[in-house]
Amino acid sequence: DAGITQSPRHKVTETGTPVTLRCHQTENHRYMYWYRQDPGHGLRLIHYSYGVKDTDKGEVSDGYSVSRSKTEDFLLTLESATSSQTSVYFCAIRGGSDTGELFFGEGSRLTVL
Amino acid sequence: GNSVTQMEGPVTLSEEAFLTINCTYTATGYPSLFWYVQYPGEGLQLLLKATKADDKGSNKGFEATYRKETTSFHLEKGSVQVSDSAVYFCALILTGGGNKLTFGTGTQLKVEL
Repeated sequence: DAGITQSPRHKVTETGTPVTLRCHQTENHRYMYWYRQDPGHGLRLIHYSYGVKDTDKGEVSDGYSVSRSKTEDFLLTLESATSSQTSVYFCAIRGGSDTGELFFGEGSRLTVL
Repeated sequence: GNSVTQMEGPVTLSEEAFLTINCTYTATGYPSLFWYVQYPGEGLQLLLKATKADDKGSNKGFEATYRKETTSFHLEKGSVQVSDSAVYFCALILTGGGNKLTFGTGTQLKVEL
């Protein structure tokens, strides 16, 4: 158990509304990531963080913002949700080894109507 | 840039059959390689890893060998079980400073009795 909790696990919202997904870790790891999973695309990196208030963009960052005010929490915000953001979102933390493997949360399924 | 290419699925096998899922990669540096597994409704779990050429990662009867000459990391299992039905993802991260894991698109495996 890597100590990662995502919330909410399921959410249905309407186009144009703001949405925030939360990732909480109990492991005190420096690196945290947000991925989205879509059929035919595998997992694509949205944003990641390498420390409190230190974040960087991934390959599909448009329409998303993130914040990390505490080591344990990494928030993903959709300022104005669109139907193309319907997806399953996974948070991950980078383990303590040098080999870089990630440990994933259970996912948050977001449906934008 | 870095990329991972996996064979398309779904792959359907009978129980006790031999499994191979092909994975090839392109990397600008020297990567560590991973196989992750995703069971229905769950997040990704690390299945095995290899950090240098000719390393063999193994776990739960699955094996994969890091082949630098062919830039491949094919997943194999000698005798699959129904419980192995899942989606398998090949991934890489650059060693020595890489912060981002790059995934293939995933290969769905269905094992039937």
